[in-house]
This record gives sequence, structure tokens and C-alpha cells, in this order.
Amino acid sequence: QVQLQESGPGLVKPSETLSLTCSVSGGSITSNYWSWIRQPPGKGLEWIGHVSYSGTTNYNPSLKSRVTMSVDTSKRQLSLKLSYVTAADTAVYYCARDPSKVVVDWYFDLWGRGTLVTVSS
Amino acid sequence: QSALTQPASVSGSPGHSITISCTGTISDIGDYNYVSWYQQLPGKPPKLIIYDVNNRPSGVSNRFSGTKSGNTASLTISGLQPEDEADYYCSCYRRTSIVVFGGGTKLTVL
Repeated sequence: QVQLQESGPGLVKPSETLSLTCSVSGGSITSNYWSWIRQPPGKGLEWIGHVSYSGTTNYNPSLKSRVTMSVDTSKRQLSLKLSYVTAADTAVYYCARDPSKVVVDWYFDLWGRGTLVTVSS
Repeated sequence: QSALTQPASVSGSPGHSITISCTGTISDIGDYNYVSWYQQLPGKPPKLIIYDVNNRPSGVSNRFSGTKSGNTASLTISGLQPEDEADYYCSCYRRTSIVVFGGGTKLTVL
């Protein structure tokens, strides 16, 4: 079955760029929309945005100026970049799949295990 | 402050039922049926338990059910079991093509 696995540095310095990758295995990446969602320690979930296999994106307005998402279909990977990070960006970052094949369904039926990113000098 | 409002905690006894509310606005829950619910066990990623207000994914117990009235959605868990103890999050599409979440509700099974 399809599995998602996030990877990237666990520690990022303030003002630098956080870069994460989500590897998709066991299924196609050339369908669906793919979201990034984060969860600060002990807190709730926040949708960062999503990207389609064709590169169409929608971002949370609160993060839009700092976020870039992309898809590399040849590597079956999703990418998240968040620039100018601060301590408030410390969180577990998840990639997740929207199950829709045509239009967006706006829910997430498959999640990666998440990766903790700490912003600290 | 989360976009959708949930109670911080609820509790119930085994075998009983509980309901978790999720209040939004006319821009999200009030105007769209894209309401979903997730269960999160400690140290685990969220798991989808309800989508499109009242639909259960394959494999999710029929003890979980969802409803919506006006700007408020609700998740009901009937026949509470100890393994239901977890955090629960609601989510909804919001006008202008974004997803918003509730702040989460911690369910304690007494």
C-alpha cells in the first residue's frame, strides 16, 4: 500500500530555510493533491498548504510569503521549503494525501509518520 | 487561536456516548460539507475517522458518527472503549481554498 515518509534536518537555525522531503512509495504520485501539515509540540494541527502532481499549489495565507511546495515525479518526492524560520516554526511536520483523483476532497486519508524540526541557534 | 473551536477536553465512561463539537463560521462549516475528523493517539500521526460530515472510511468503527447543523459540526462516539482515549481534531474547507483545523479535544475514558 501507499506509504509516506518525511525526511530532513531535525535542527534549523533562526532566519534560515527549513527544507523537507516526503517520499511516496507503493503507489502513484501522479494523482491526488499532497499536503503539508504541522503540529507544534503539545499543540494542534495547522495546514501549511498543498501541491498537485502537476505543480498547482494553495498555501495557508498565514505562511504564504515564506512557503514553497513542489513535486518531483521522477523521484516520487514532495518538497517543502519554509524560509526565515523562527522558534514558532518548531513543530512535527507531516505530509498527507488528499484522496481525490480529479477535484480536491479537502481531507487527508493517508499521513506520514512526521518529522520533528526544531528551530534553534 | 485555532480557526475552528473545540472543547479542550471531554470525558466519558466505558459503554457510554460522548459528543465533541466543532464550531466554525459561514465561511467554512456553515457553507461547506467538507468537514472531517481525525483521531490522534500519543506519538502517532492523525488518523481519518470521518469525512464529508458523516462518512466513515473503510475499517473505521460504526461507533463513530458525524453530523452538522449550521456553523457547528459534531463527532459522536458511542459505546466508549478505553482505546478511544485520544486527541480528536475537526477540519473543514474554508472559502478561498484553504483547510482549517480545530484546536483539538482530549478524550478521557474514565
